Amino acid sequence: QVQLQESGPGLVKPSETLSLTCTVSGASITTYYWNWIRQAPGKGLEWIGFIYHSGSALYSPSLKSRVSMSVDTSKNQFSLKVSYVTAADTAVYYCARWGEVHGVKAFDIWGQGTMVTVSS
Amino acid sequence: EIVLTQSPGTLSLSPGETATLSCRASQSVSSSNLAWYQQKFGQAPRLLIYGASSRATGLPDRFSGSGFGTDFTLTITRLEPEDFAVYFCQHYDGSPLTFGGGTKVEIK
Repeated sequence: QVQLQESGPGLVKPSETLSLTCTVSGASITTYYWNWIRQAPGKGLEWIGFIYHSGSALYSPSLKSRVSMSVDTSKNQFSLKVSYVTAADTAVYYCARWGEVHGVKAFDIWGQGTMVTVSS
Repeated sequence: EIVLTQSPGTLSLSPGETATLSCRASQSVSSSNLAWYQQKFGQAPRLLIYGASSRATGLPDRFSGSGFGTDFTLTITRLEPEDFAVYFCQHYDGSPLTFGGGTKVEIK
C-alpha cells in the first residue's frame, strides 16, 4: 500500500522560507512524478509543481521564481521550498503521486496534507 | 493557462437522487487529460475519474465521467450519504496543471 506523509514546520515567518518533506512508503521514488499541491483555507486546489527522481522538475509559472524541489532517493523522500513567503502562502500543503506510469494520468495517491501558516 | 469553470457552485440533493456536475474548460482539453476528485471536509482529495471517463480502482459504478473538448460531466447516481462532499475537476494539457473551483454536493 503506497502512502505519502508530509512533514515540516507548521508556522513560518513572513519573508522566510517554507520547507516541507514528503516521505514515500510502499513505492520507489525512482518511479513516477512527485507533486506538491496546496489549498488555501476555504479555497480550491493549486498545483505547485512536480519533480522526477532524476531531479528534473517543472514548476507552476505563478510560483516558479520562489519554488524549488529536490529528491533524496536514499530516503525515498522529496522536498519543497518556497522562499519569501507571505500570508498568501498560508495553506494546507499536499504531496501527491502522478500515476501516469501505470496509465493513470492523474494524482492517484495523496498525502494527508500539512497546514502551514505564515505569520510573525 | 487553461481555466476550468465548475458549475453549479453548490448542488442541494437528497440521498438517492442523481448529481450532475459540470466542468467547462477555457480551451479544448484532451479527454485523456481530465480527472475528477472528491474531497471531504478535513481530508485530502481522492481520485475518482481519470481520462474523463475511467473509474479509479474500487470506485462504485454509481460514479461516471463523460465529455470531450471543453465540456465534461461527472454524474453520481443514487447518491449515498458518503457522497456529499466537494468535487474538483483537473486537467493535464500542459503546464500549469489547473483545478476547477469545485462543486459542493450538500444534503437537501
